[in-house]
Amino acid sequence: NAGVTQTPKFRVLKTGQSMTLLCAQDMNHEYMYWYRQDPGMGLRLIHYSVGEGTTAKGEVPDGYNVSRLKKQNFLLGLESAAPSQTSVYFCASSFSTDNYGYTFGSGTRLTVV
Amino acid sequence: DAKTTQPPSMDCAEGRAANLPCNHSTISGNEYVYWYRQIHSQGPQYIIHGLKNNETNEMASLIITEDRKSSTLILPHATLRDTAVYYCIVRVRGGTSYGKLTFGQGTILTVHP
Repeated sequence: NAGVTQTPKFRVLKTGQSMTLLCAQDMNHEYMYWYRQDPGMGLRLIHYSVGEGTTAKGEVPDGYNVSRLKKQNFLLGLESAAPSQTSVYFCASSFSTDNYGYTFGSGTRLTVV
Repeated sequence: DAKTTQPPSMDCAEGRAANLPCNHSTISGNEYVYWYRQIHSQGPQYIIHGLKNNETNEMASLIITEDRKSSTLILPHATLRDTAVYYCIVRVRGGTSYGKLTFGQGTILTVHP
């Protein structure tokens, strides 16, 4: 049981480049989330999904897009990367809207130069 | 969501109990206390949660005071692998507040040999 898998683990982008972060979960969870973590800022919710084919904005959605074409996958896209998007990105999934039982991935460390 | 206050850091000897306090004096009647931890370079991991009764699971125990204004997470036999940042979160359970877990600064627990 792999849980939540994020790829890639590390990436360096140049300003203006695009990329997609992949999150995959094998727990049949309905809910999936993308967070970013910056020093001194805790985790901030970027986008989330309450089921296949649905997505919604979180606290800091600007500059990101997401898609949930399959229940097990949640993709986070950066169309035109900016240095302000340098961060550690975490994906999470949960079986309910409760606040426990969130399973997080191991993170993607993104640097935009 | 109620504000929480945690000490910035604590030390514990391996094999001893680690007692991590959290103050939440403005907690509302329908708000739960959740504990997560984040081991270096990994995603947060759910530990335990409770409303007013003491709770225990395979990872830890949660003691909530009778007035619910504070709580203590207890790791009964700390190991080196328990070295992490521990987050106390207070918020209502479920609903449509998807993924909006607010991770503050937490307590850095260092377990030493």
